Amino acid sequence: QTVVTQEPSFSVSPGGTVTLTCGLSSGAVSTTLHPSWYQQTPGQAPRTLIHTTNIRSSGVPDRFSGSILGNKAALSITGAQAHDESDYYCALYMGSGIVLFGGGTKLTVL
Amino acid sequence: QVQLQESGPGLVKPSETLSLTCTVSDASISSSTYYWGWVRQPPGKGLEWIGTIYYSGSAYYNPSLKSRVTISLDTSRNQFSLRLTSVTAADTAVYYCARVLKVAGPNWFDPWGQGTLVTVSS
Repeated sequence: QTVVTQEPSFSVSPGGTVTLTCGLSSGAVSTTLHPSWYQQTPGQAPRTLIHTTNIRSSGVPDRFSGSILGNKAALSITGAQAHDESDYYCALYMGSGIVLFGGGTKLTVL
Repeated sequence: QVQLQESGPGLVKPSETLSLTCTVSDASISSSTYYWGWVRQPPGKGLEWIGTIYYSGSAYYNPSLKSRVTISLDTSRNQFSLRLTSVTAADTAVYYCARVLKVAGPNWFDPWGQGTLVTVSS
């Protein structure tokens, strides 16, 4: 059974840069899996940040960027701000209509 | 702008059927441009894709839930629905509906409904 892997937690200093990753338990992540990224604060619905590897959703600041780094998808946040403290989820398209979410990364800004 | 709103019982008994509806505003679920989907999140846990439906009625389901899930459309009301049979406590979660957009296939979700908590308990 394929699992999408994410760092359980990460911390970044205010103003700093952080890169979160999204991998596969078996195989590499490439653009063909069309990675997307979502931000979720406690008690709120997810907010779409990135789709199709590196396209920012409407209204998302350019401090957020998506890419492929090695064999993983990556979400980079530059100039981290206190309100970036959230859970971040990636999703991969496995084909045949099937989507897999990663377990999420809890980002702390301190 | 497109808005989605989930509705349905907040409490379901074990072994019974969970039924939720998503009402879509400012977009037609009959459009061939988009898909429509359901995602859930157990308390304190991550997101889990449940399934996605197209305007034609073609649906895709999470293999781990496929035997218990049905997603359907009601185009007259611009709604789509989720049915999950034989529920257990493990199905307790916040259930989100979302528009699903496609690149090579239905693969990213935007926007999302606010979510509705369904608790499975006797």
